[in-house]
Amino acid sequence: GAVVSQHPSRVICKSGTSVKIECRSLDFQATTMFWYRQFPKQSLMLMATSNEGSKATYEQGVEKDKFLINHASLTLSTLTVTSAHPEDSSFYICSASPQGNLNTEAFFGQGTRLTVV
Amino acid sequence: GQSLEQPSEVTAVEGAIVQINCTYQTSGFYGLSWYQQHDGGAPTFLSYNALDGLEETGRFSSFLSRSDSYGYLLLQELQMKDSASYFCAVRDYGGGNKLTFGTGTQLKVEL
Repeated sequence: GAVVSQHPSRVICKSGTSVKIECRSLDFQATTMFWYRQFPKQSLMLMATSNEGSKATYEQGVEKDKFLINHASLTLSTLTVTSAHPEDSSFYICSASPQGNLNTEAFFGQGTRLTVV
Repeated sequence: GQSLEQPSEVTAVEGAIVQINCTYQTSGFYGLSWYQQHDGGAPTFLSYNALDGLEETGRFSSFLSRSDSYGYLLLQELQMKDSASYFCAVRDYGGGNKLTFGTGTQLKVEL
């Protein structure tokens, strides 16, 4: 299957600082990637759709100025949590699918456990 | 928008069969998928139903009935390693192919 790599897997940061999370498709090109957030014992909630070469599409209620997304190449999308606060502590996970496979399987990165102290 | 409801928890014994239901309200979608997620891990794909009926993949089977807005995941010969969260999900027509997940079901397999 296709491989999606996410880095870092775990990060602890101080309140008010910014954190960047990378999502890479290792063996395929992805014009679209998706960023999800998951709180403990809850489902994955879509935050935004990352579009290569254009602006990301954010879901309702997600602050675009707080969660900056950049998709500068066909294999890399980054999510930057700016001015992080303890309530931003969560599990962030990206996904992508090879082109032509959009109707079936999605591939996920390993996820990033963010703790803001 | 899309809404997919699942039971929050299911408990079963090793070797048994368990069914996890998913009822949904959507404006149209390509098909119903199922994902497994262990604590702290990434979701992994289990099964996909594009059409009504039963799809079988080893110990796992999945069913879809579009007329009833309903699907389920059937796990047979349960093993301890099957203890995880299970999510149904849809990829809809008008949402740029984004995946919307169900509320999730935590399965506990006991001896």
